[in-house]
Amino acid sequence: EAQVTQNPRYLITVTGKKLTVTCSQNMNHEYMSWYRQDPGLGLRQIYYSMNVEVTDKGDVPEGYKVSRKEKRNFPLILESPSPNQTSLYFCASSRDRGNGYTFGSGTRLTVV
Amino acid sequence: QQPVQSPQAVILREGEDAVINCSSSKALYSVHWYRQKHGEAPVFLMILLKGGEQKGHDKISASFNEKKQQSSLYLTASQLSYSGTYFCGTAGTSYGKLTFGQGTILTVHP
Repeated sequence: EAQVTQNPRYLITVTGKKLTVTCSQNMNHEYMSWYRQDPGLGLRQIYYSMNVEVTDKGDVPEGYKVSRKEKRNFPLILESPSPNQTSLYFCASSRDRGNGYTFGSGTRLTVV
Repeated sequence: QQPVQSPQAVILREGEDAVINCSSSKALYSVHWYRQKHGEAPVFLMILLKGGEQKGHDKISASFNEKKQQSSLYLTASQLSYSGTYFCGTAGTSYGKLTFGQGTILTVHP
């Protein structure tokens, strides 16, 4: 089944403890992206990648890192999480610029 | 810059029509439309490309006015399953940078 898989689905962590949210797609898509969703603010892009080793900042990249060493994987790294990073995170992928994005199921992160 | 959607919320009865608008201050290459139901991930509806035609499937269609940098989503003869939050996403020449509007909450009642 064609899909974008995020793990974990839920995560509660403490301030300052490094964490990684994994994202993997099995559709051979070129484009991948991370979004955070907060009430009243919609979906805001954190980082995106247009191909292996090609990444760029979205609208809210502060406090996050990404890497794209393989086409299928696009992990999101929080080196030192803070409570303001408590949010619902979505990973998404797209075949090319003529197609829409397929979203993962989401990761609900709580930083205490 | 985030595109602006209007209205913020719409309440319909089954069978009624609705239009959701999306406006950007930047030159656009493409406009996406997604629907998100409560507790779920956004689902892609359609994409409109610069120089492309109006798109649609079933009773949901959309248009893209490149000169005005505006797009509209048309939902006709609404069904209960149309309820959810609709987001437009806009991309300029850098397709990877896709910016979403704040969303329009659509509620369809029997």
